[in-house]
This record gives sequence, C-alpha cells and structure tokens, in this order.
Amino acid sequence: QLTLQESGPGLLKPLETLSLTCIVSGDSITSRNYYWGWVRQPPGKGLEWIGSVDYSGNAPYNVSLQSRLTISLETPRNQLSLKLTSVVSSDTATYYCGAGRGGSGAFDFWGRGTTVVVSS
Amino acid sequence: QSVVIQEPSLTVSPGGTVTLTCASTIGPVTSAHYAHWFQQKPGQAPRTLIYNTYDKHSWTPARFSGSVREAKAALTLSGAQPEDEADYYCFLSYGGPHVHFGGGTKLTVL
Repeated sequence: QLTLQESGPGLLKPLETLSLTCIVSGDSITSRNYYWGWVRQPPGKGLEWIGSVDYSGNAPYNVSLQSRLTISLETPRNQLSLKLTSVVSSDTATYYCGAGRGGSGAFDFWGRGTTVVVSS
Repeated sequence: QSVVIQEPSLTVSPGGTVTLTCASTIGPVTSAHYAHWFQQKPGQAPRTLIYNTYDKHSWTPARFSGSVREAKAALTLSGAQPEDEADYYCFLSYGGPHVHFGGGTKLTVL
C-alpha cells in the first residue's frame, strides 16, 4: 500500500520561499504506475490543485501558480518536493501530497497534510 | 469564478438516498472528464471514493456510486450512515493543467 508523509516549515514570512517534502513508501518515486503532486486547502475553504510530476518529467502546474512553483522528484530519497517562491498570506493552507494513476491529475492516495502559515 | 459547481449543502436522513452533483460551467460533463469524488471529514485529509466517473477503490463503501446524469457527474449515496457526514468534493479534468475541484458539498446526515 502506498503511503505519503509531508513535512514543512510550519511558519514563514511573506516573500520567503516555501519548501515542502513528501516521503513516499510502498513504491518507487520513479515508478511508471503513478504521477505525484500537491493539493492545498486554505483554512475553512475548498481544495485547490497545485500541480503534479511524473517519472518522465511531465509536470503540469496550476496556471495561477506556475510562475512561482517547482515540483520535482528526488529519487535518492524517494520523495517529492515543492518549492513556492515569494509567498504571500493567501498561500496559507494545509498542503497535501498525493499520488494518482491514469492521466486525470487527481489523486488516489493522499498524505495527511502539513500546515503552512505565512505571516510577518 | 468557479468552473466546477456543486451544491453547497445537502441533508439526508439515516438510511436514505441522496445524490450529489458536479456541473461544469464550460459545458456538459462526460466520462471524458474523468470525474473523481473525494470525502473529507473534519481535521482529516481527503479520501478518494470514486475515480474515472464510476470506479471504486477497495476502501470505498458499496453504498457509494458514481455516474453521469443529465450532463453532470453524480455521486449517489444509498443507505446513508451517520459516518457519511462529511464534505464531498468533485474533480474534473479538462486536459493537462486544466483541472478543477468543485467548491464542495457539506453533507449532513440527520
């Protein structure tokens, strides 16, 4: 069974860079079975798709975030990473990593999430 | 402006049946949108119930089913249980990065 575990800084200041990691267990991050990605949820609000990446490097991103966003696979550690530059208060959210199959962009497996607060 | 529209809230009686829908402002929803449905309880991560419009995961209770009805994706719950009270989100894929969650439906079992 695939499991995912996110980790992150918790709190950061405006204009800093958010770096999150997601450790994957149960399959290789280079597996052709899955693509890997991130979804976030601001406090009290709905889900927002951030982006994904697969073994071939195909990496579609949310158009509204793509200028600040990098999602990559770190194969030696079997983990997924997210970097979001120049954060603002509206980036405050719980960030979930996930894994999906097929080509829809949705996730079949989810991590438990990590909370990020952007505040001065 | 949301691209994918869900009912903000619905109520179902224990043992009853309810259908949640997922409409697209761009056009009719078909199986080509690979609709997914997620359940989220307070303080928990989402859990995927339905993928590719109809398909269930091994953990999906049999009382949940997915379909396309009248140009909308639909999630039907037959025989609601108290533990089904949750937020439900749909997801539609329009190709590449053009994917959208709906705003979510808060389902009350009462």
